[in-house]
Amino acid sequence: GNSVTQMEGPVTLSEEAFLTINCTYTATGYPSLFWYVQYPGEGLQLLLKATKADDKGSNKGFEATYRKETTSFHLEKGSVQVSDSAVYFCALNSNDYKLSFGAGTTVTVRA
Amino acid sequence: GAVVSQHPSWVICKSGTSVKIECRSLDFQATTMFWYRQFPKQSLMLMATSNEGSKATYEQGVEKDKFLINHASLTLSTLTVTSAHPEDSSFYICSAIGVATEAFFGQGTRLTVV
Repeated sequence: GNSVTQMEGPVTLSEEAFLTINCTYTATGYPSLFWYVQYPGEGLQLLLKATKADDKGSNKGFEATYRKETTSFHLEKGSVQVSDSAVYFCALNSNDYKLSFGAGTTVTVRA
Repeated sequence: GAVVSQHPSWVICKSGTSVKIECRSLDFQATTMFWYRQFPKQSLMLMATSNEGSKATYEQGVEKDKFLINHASLTLSTLTVTSAHPEDSSFYICSAIGVATEAFFGQGTRLTVV
């Protein structure tokens, strides 16, 4: 079945630091890959996605590239801000819209 | 993006009682809604898939008689936790998909059973 393994947190960074959250997956077929973000007190929001190998998703300075050869979809941001403090979830789906999530990584950015 | 509203945001109930959680798509018609459960420091686990006007499809290990799901309209799905027990305490999140095929999530419901 499908599964997602995500780097455990929590991660604490200073403003303007570089952020990487590792994500690898196991899936049958050709899944779509997602990063969701959950800000304190809010629901999950789609941050970015990639639907096929070598696609790069990007949004709000975050990027992730769909690497089929390494079954990875690592999230990166070059310079984080305090407002990026949140929980980040890596997820995938096949063709039925059911999402399989990683455990979530809590990121705290200090001023 | 589209808005999905979940109500209540948090609820405390006594053991043995039932609790209903609502999930509404406010500005689109949701042909499919999903219910997830999140244990502390763990990931979201899919509980069931509901399609408007038909019975929900439950994931393996989820008790359909305990977690009643109704998707009576294209904008509303409800999850009722029947005869709740402390082990049902969790964070429940719904998501909805319409023609856009992107999943939009509610803000979640924190259920505490005492």
